[in-house]
Amino acid sequence: DQQVKQNSPSLSVQEGRISILNCDYTNSMFDYFLWYKKYPAEGPTFLISISSIKDKNEDGRFTVFLNKSAKHLSLHIVPSQPGDSAVYFCAASAGGGADGLTFGKGTHLIIQP
Amino acid sequence: NAGVTQTPKFQVLKTGQSMTLQCAQDMNHNSMYWYRQDPGMGLRLIYYSASEGTTDKGEVPNGYNVSRLNKREFSLRLESAAPSQTSVYFCASSFSTSRTDTQYFGPGTRLTVL
Repeated sequence: DQQVKQNSPSLSVQEGRISILNCDYTNSMFDYFLWYKKYPAEGPTFLISISSIKDKNEDGRFTVFLNKSAKHLSLHIVPSQPGDSAVYFCAASAGGGADGLTFGKGTHLIIQP
Repeated sequence: NAGVTQTPKFQVLKTGQSMTLQCAQDMNHNSMYWYRQDPGMGLRLIYYSASEGTTDKGEVPNGYNVSRLNKREFSLRLESAAPSQTSVYFCASSFSTSRTDTQYFGPGTRLTVL
């Protein structure tokens, strides 16, 4: 049973526009969330995180929004750039350490020129 | 700094063969991890080592063994490979096992078991 769901396998966005990647979760014990970015033939790299005590966290062009009541988070990228084309993974943690991360399947973001 | 390095990059095995995947980090991190990523799936933790001298099972440990050789190196061994172990294997490291410590990943090893 998937506890972290990224229901869009791929997303195509025009350069300069906003990219919105979505992530839903089912485990109400999740209280810390992360986004990773992955290029082909490379390992994932950490992008941004958010704790459940917040509903928004911003880092440059990247903002993550958390809606606890809906068990939903989203990653906004504004403006989208060609280098943002990658697979984005959502991950969640229900306390404990880094050994307890649950990852989604990923969304492949394609930025069109 | 190379960060996290993994060898080999690619490997093809026959069912029943054994092999060891190597991982090394040069960031002086205490904690290291092994994940697998199956097609269309998220990463799943196989084993991790919170600090030198300790190892613990993750979500999917069956069929694997690990060795934390020293602070820098963490190896993953498949004693008798099975087709179900066909996957991409990622090693990662972090300062500690705190979930707020960033995990740094290696480039992965693509393993095919025939």
